Amino acid sequence: EADIYQTPRYLVIGTGKKITLECSQTMGHDKMYWYQQDPGMELHLIHYSYGVNSTEKGDLSSESTVSRIRTEHFPLTLESARPSHTSQYLCASSDAGTGHEKLFFGSGTQLSVL
Amino acid sequence: ELKVEQNPLFLSMQEGKNYTIYCNYSTTSDRLYWYRQDPGKSLESLFVLLSNGAVKQEGRLMASLDTKARLSTLHITAAVHDLSATYFCAVSQYNNNDMRFGAGTRLTVKP
Repeated sequence: EADIYQTPRYLVIGTGKKITLECSQTMGHDKMYWYQQDPGMELHLIHYSYGVNSTEKGDLSSESTVSRIRTEHFPLTLESARPSHTSQYLCASSDAGTGHEKLFFGSGTQLSVL
Repeated sequence: ELKVEQNPLFLSMQEGKNYTIYCNYSTTSDRLYWYRQDPGKSLESLFVLLSNGAVKQEGRLMASLDTKARLSTLHITAAVHDLSATYFCAVSQYNNNDMRFGAGTRLTVKP
């Protein structure tokens, strides 16, 4: 079954730690995205990718990095976690070939930085 | 800069009633999307509207798009408790990967 997977689902970590949030999709989508969402609030774009070896910064990208070595995999890394990073992180993908590019979202990673 | 505004942000309604959620956006757009998010869950796509006058319906929800007014509406007919969720509209432009989301409308349907 085609889907988009995020791990871990929940993560509690101390300040200063380096963390990587995983995202994989089996739909063969070229475009992938990372969004940050505080509870009940709007989504903010962190990074996106058009395809392999392509990454672009969004609004909140300054404290994180991404890579796209394989089509199906788009991990997000925080080099040094801070309490201000506490939030939900949503990964999404879209099919550029459909003409409408609606997003398919993963279940999210709820990150808490102590 | 593309901005998206939704109203109301909070909506409490009785079962069986009708109501409309509004989504305004600031610049010319090719595509408008509606998503649903249940508490603690991720977002699920509801509708994609691609042209002026587009109307789509699924069950008790109907979405429409007026590109001249830069306005989309999500109309709820005879609300039921299962519709309680947060509804987001999002707007993007052709060949622009910056899909902008509204703040969301948190809908609560009471018996």
